[in-house]
Amino acid sequence: DGGITQSPKYLFRKEGQNVTLSCEQNLNHDAMYWYRQDPGQGLRLIYYSQIVNDFQKGDIAEGYSVSREKKESFPLTVTSAQKNPTAFYLCASSIWGGDATGELFFGEGSRLTVL
Amino acid sequence: GDSVTQMEGPVTLSEEAFLTINCTYTATGYPSLFWYVQYPGEGLQLLLKATKADDKGSNKGFEATYRKETTSFHLEKGSVQVSDSAVYFCALSAPLMDSSYKLIFGSGTRLLVRP
Repeated sequence: DGGITQSPKYLFRKEGQNVTLSCEQNLNHDAMYWYRQDPGQGLRLIYYSQIVNDFQKGDIAEGYSVSREKKESFPLTVTSAQKNPTAFYLCASSIWGGDATGELFFGEGSRLTVL
Repeated sequence: GDSVTQMEGPVTLSEEAFLTINCTYTATGYPSLFWYVQYPGEGLQLLLKATKADDKGSNKGFEATYRKETTSFHLEKGSVQVSDSAVYFCALSAPLMDSSYKLIFGSGTRLLVRP
């Protein structure tokens, strides 16, 4: 079955450590996204990428970094510069181009807790 | 900028009651509109969508109509079930500078259905 796989599902980190969240998709989608979800705040866009080796900052990119070396993969690194990293992180993908409506397909999410 | 406002929860209903979750939006263009559902500990799943004015999206007994004149996309269901208990997000697609899209989400409405 096609879909988006995020790992790990749960992650604990000490302050000052960088962590990387994995996101893999087999939907053959060009565009991939990372959102952050906090209680009662909906989702906010961190980074997005339309094509391999290219990505753009979203609304809350500070303290995060990404790479897009393969079409299928879009890992997110939460760096020690992120002031409040405890959150639920969601990866998504979509088609891009003439038929695109903006519909996103989401993974199951990764919950990061900073101890 | 573009934004989505949805009614605050939680919304608590008895099984078989009628459901309405209000959603209004602000957008400069003509976005596509979406309702996503999130079950505890999971990612978001697309519930329904509408891509132009007067379109009605429907799925699993849920419906929403794209009303341009009132900039609304209210979610309705005639008879809710306990299994409908979840968080519901209204969203619109906002075009980005580079011809891709991002979704802008409301803050979510938690629905609790009691037997």
